[in-house]
Order: sequence, then structure tokens, then C-alpha cells
Amino acid sequence: QSVLTQPPSASGTPGQRVTISCSGGSSNIGSNSVSWYQQLPRTAPKLLIYTDNQRPSGVPDRFSGSTSGTSASLAISGLQSEDEADYFCAAWDDRLHGYVFGTGTKVTVL
Amino acid sequence: EVQLVESGGGLVQPGGSLRLSCAASGFTFSSYEMNWVRQAPGKGLQWVSYIRLSDNSVYYADPVKGRFTISRDNAKNSLYLQMNSLRAEDTAVYYCARVRSMSTESSFNYYMDVWGKGTTVTVSS
Repeated sequence: QSVLTQPPSASGTPGQRVTISCSGGSSNIGSNSVSWYQQLPRTAPKLLIYTDNQRPSGVPDRFSGSTSGTSASLAISGLQSEDEADYFCAAWDDRLHGYVFGTGTKVTVL
Repeated sequence: EVQLVESGGGLVQPGGSLRLSCAASGFTFSSYEMNWVRQAPGKGLQWVSYIRLSDNSVYYADPVKGRFTISRDNAKNSLYLQMNSLRAEDTAVYYCARVRSMSTESSFNYYMDVWGKGTTVTVSS
């Protein structure tokens, strides 16, 4: 039912770079800013990236966001074991008049 | 410390009602927009409802429209979600979250910068 599509999983070894894609449409990512949330196991989500590419205070600069047209990406460089979590993209959707989340990507550190 | 604490979850029969509360502390609650997000067991995040600061407009996701009502009491630093006609598919952890939003001529920037730990709602007979 999600209007933003993410790959279900991604993985890498410690120190590697992992990229997660988020595909949307003209009414959401194509029109409005994208945010990303990290959800560690059995915890509440946490804001990771806002306004496409801004990091809140306390979020390591290993995390970066970008957008292009109707797609967005989250990159994790220098992957660490504590990065093992679910990651969700999100944006306001003008057609639905609501906030939409991506399907979520589970990142595994091998 | 900025904090949001949800309460009011529990087990309810299909067709029943529940009222969730979210107590805010550590910031000026009346100056911030708020919303509810839910997560069904083993599933992703789903935005539920949003209450706008400028004009108290409310927005709902289609699955809950007509059944859920969001409200706030600034004097009590609290956000609420009245849930009626509950269905099995409403079973989820419900999170309240503080919203940051900004409109420009061409885009709407909306994100949640503070989240509560959630309260669990189970709809089952």
C-alpha cells in the first residue's frame, strides 16, 4: 500500500558503503522534501535525515541523503555494526493529502 | 529533556473504542504541530493523523478517516487520538511524534523530529 518503494534489504561488511533507494512520484518526492528514519530493533523510529540532505544534531556524517527527480537515496559510508536497523524514507504527498512512508529497508552488517 | 509519552493502549474487541494520549514535556507544546504514526506487527510505518498549528486543520490517512479523531489540549501539554469502530487491522504500536513543517511556493517540507516510545493497541475478540 506504500507509495514509496524501497528495496527490502541491503547489506555490507564493516567499513563498506551502502546505498538505499526510495522511489516515489511527482506528488510526493517530486514535489516535497524527503526525510529518512532509522529504527533499531525493538525501538521507536528516529529522525536520521530531513529536508532531503540535512542531519539532525548527533547523527554521524556517515549518513547522507540526496534526491533526484522522483527518487531519493540514503548512503551509509563506513558501515558499522550499530547501523544494523530498518530504514524508512518519507515525504508529504500532495495527491493523498498525507504523509507517506517507504516500504522500509533492513540493513544487515555482515 | 524533550519527551513524549504515549498511554491508553490495550486490548479491545472489534467495533470498540479507545482513546490514546500523548504527554509532552521539555518543550513548548503549544508551539509545535503533532501527529500519530502506527506500526502493525512486523510491518512498516504508517502515518495516521496530523493536526496543523496555524489553523487547527486535521488530516487523516484514508484507512482511519471517519473513525479516528485527533485533538490536543495545550493547557495539559497533551495530544489525543480517539479511535472508534476499531478493526483487527488497526492492531499496531501507535507513536506520537512532534512535527516540523514548512511550506514554500513549490514544496511542503514535513518531518518528525521527536518520537515517543509507543503504546500497543490490539483489536481482537
